[in-house]
Amino acid sequence: NAGVTQTPKFRILKIGQSMTLQCTQDMNHNYMYWYRQDPGMGLKLIYYSVGAGITDKGEVPNGYNVSRSTTEDFPLRLELAAPSQTSVYFCASSYSTYNEQFFGPGTRLTVL
Amino acid sequence: AQKITQTQPGMFVQEKEAVTLDCTYDTSDQSYGLFWYKQPSSGEMIFLIYQGSYDEQNATEGRYSLNFQKARKSANLVISASQLGDSAMYFCAMREGRQMMDSSYKLIFGSGTRLLVRP
Repeated sequence: NAGVTQTPKFRILKIGQSMTLQCTQDMNHNYMYWYRQDPGMGLKLIYYSVGAGITDKGEVPNGYNVSRSTTEDFPLRLELAAPSQTSVYFCASSYSTYNEQFFGPGTRLTVL
Repeated sequence: AQKITQTQPGMFVQEKEAVTLDCTYDTSDQSYGLFWYKQPSSGEMIFLIYQGSYDEQNATEGRYSLNFQKARKSANLVISASQLGDSAMYFCAMREGRQMMDSSYKLIFGSGTRLLVRP
């Protein structure tokens, strides 16, 4: 099993550009999450999904959108990138909310 | 108010010694879960150990144990026989609420403790 995979690993965006961060898991988990980690901080939840077709906002959803058309994939869309979105983005999945979350390797995004 | 507090921004420990990383939490829920994750310099998040609020015994996973003191709302991670590979950031996190509640989907993370193991 590959677990949770994320692409790209690194990306530099200009202000106002858009991009999609890809996330795929092969563990058949219904629950998936997107977090961001700012320097020296813990993770903050951006969006989460409890199954295909169902998504909801986390703590810091502004400037982001998600979709969940399949169990495996949970892409995160950044529209009109801003310097405040410079961060490391982690995708995670879990069997249930009571179980540990498995994290992808992260995407380091810089907006200049 | 901070829900997860890790008061030690950085710690040193000698190789082969034990170390305790502190974590206190704040919740009014009766049902909650506490997690510890390790983040090495490579950046990935690695799950270490979990303690449920109704678990009567402290969780253990190999060299990791969780010193859970419910009345004091603390969930300290104990690493025994430290190894050089234990040098990393360690995050305490909490899940609040019962299964299927809105709050149960969110892990609330502390700001982390950076552990450095000296040879």
